[in-house]
Amino acid sequence: DAGVIQSPRHEVTEMGQEVTLRCKPISGHDYLFWYRQTMMRGLELLIYFNNNVPIDDSGMPEDRFSAKMPNASFSTLKIQPSEPRDSAVYFCASSSLAVNYGYTFGSGTRLTVV
Amino acid sequence: AQTVTQSQPEMSVQEAETVTLSCTYDTSESDYYLFWYKQPPSRQMILVIRQEAYKQQNATENRFSVNFQKAAKSFSLKISDSQLGDAAMYFCAYNRNLRAQKLVFGQGTRLTINP
Repeated sequence: DAGVIQSPRHEVTEMGQEVTLRCKPISGHDYLFWYRQTMMRGLELLIYFNNNVPIDDSGMPEDRFSAKMPNASFSTLKIQPSEPRDSAVYFCASSSLAVNYGYTFGSGTRLTVV
Repeated sequence: AQTVTQSQPEMSVQEAETVTLSCTYDTSESDYYLFWYKQPPSRQMILVIRQEAYKQQNATENRFSVNFQKAAKSFSLKISDSQLGDAAMYFCAYNRNLRAQKLVFGQGTRLTINP
């Protein structure tokens, strides 16, 4: 298995633009998580899905952020409009109760909003 | 809410020596899971070791071992025979239970290995 795949690896965009981050979880994993990492706030859980259904989105900072999981092999995190304070590394991770107790993380997307 | 605290923002150790990273957590649960993750400069998050709270035996993975003190809510990571490749950020994490599946992370400890 190729692991959790995120794209793009780096994204630079101008303030006000729409940004879409993508994630392909490990096949067979039924949980998918989106985390944001910043120096100030560390690793924050934004939202997670179970069997493609959003379970907890309480970490989504505001209405500018949205996440979808249309099927078991794909998820997106969208920011519209983007702001400089959204600059961070965004991680996607997946897991399964049937496999182990830990997450498998993607390589992250470094987002810079200028 | 559960919290995880890593009180050492930075640590350093000489190559081949042993270092211990500290972690404490707060929970009212009796059954839960604890993890250590490593984040090297490549930024990939790598699972180092995990511990189930119901197990009294401390987990061990090669040069990595933990000291799990349930009553004290302490979960330290010991790295023996430190190698240059161990240099990274280390995060302690807590999962309330499998069904919750939410990992709560500490702030991290940056480990430097001195040759």
